[in-house]
Amino acid sequence: DAGVIQSPRHEVTEMGQEVTLRCKPISGHDYLFWYRQTMMRGLELLIYFNNNVPIDDSGMPEDRFSAKMPNASFSTLKIQPSEPRDSAVYFCASSFAGIATGELFFGEGSRLTVL
Amino acid sequence: AQSVTQLDSHVSVSEGTPVLLRCNYSSSYSPSLFWYVQHPNKGLQLLLKYTSAATLVKGINGFEAEFKKSETSFHLTKPSAHMSDAAEYFCVVSSQPLSGGYNKLIFGAGTRLAVHP
Repeated sequence: DAGVIQSPRHEVTEMGQEVTLRCKPISGHDYLFWYRQTMMRGLELLIYFNNNVPIDDSGMPEDRFSAKMPNASFSTLKIQPSEPRDSAVYFCASSFAGIATGELFFGEGSRLTVL
Repeated sequence: AQSVTQLDSHVSVSEGTPVLLRCNYSSSYSPSLFWYVQHPNKGLQLLLKYTSAATLVKGINGFEAEFKKSETSFHLTKPSAHMSDAAEYFCVVSSQPLSGGYNKLIFGAGTRLAVHP
C-alpha cells in the first residue's frame, strides 16, 4: 500500500489567496483526520471524518477553514482567505478503527507558508 | 481531563548508549497511551501502544515503554541508540470526554532526540 498521500508537499502563497490541500487515505480505512502542527501549539486535530461524514470539527479554527470528503478516497482542506498565522504543516491521517485504537497512519504533510 | 507531559524537550545521547524519554500522564480512568515518532520532514508513525494489557509494551525498532500507574508515567526506552533513532518523539493519551463530545488523541509537546557518533 502506498500509504496516506498528501499534496502539495510545499505551498507558498500570499495572504488572501485560497489554499487547497489534498489527501488520499489508505484504502479500506474508514476514518480520516486533518491535523495542524506548529512550533507554538504542537499538533492539533482540526477535523475528522468517519465513512466520509464529518464527525468532530470542533478544532477548525474559524470559518475560513473548510474540509470535505466527497468519497472514501479523497479529502480536501481549504483555507479561504489565507493569513500568515495559518502557516504550518498540515497532516492528513487515516485509520481503520478510529481513535479508540490510537493507530493513525500519517501522510508526510503539506508545509504551508503564507506571506 | 486527560493530559500528557513530556518532561524533556531535548535529549542527546551517544550512539550505543541507552535512551530514556520521559512522559507523565493525567487521567481520571485507566488510559490508553501511545508513543509516536516523527523523522525530519516525515509524518508521524506509531511506535507502540498500551491499552490495559501487559504493562511493559514492546514496539518497533527495539523501543519499549512501561506503564506505571503508581507514578502515572509511560517512559520510552531503548537499550542502545542508533543514529537512525534521531527524531522527534510524541507521547499521546487517548482522552474520553466526561459528558458528550468525542474521543481525542492528546499529543505531548514532543521530545527531540539527538544521537551523536
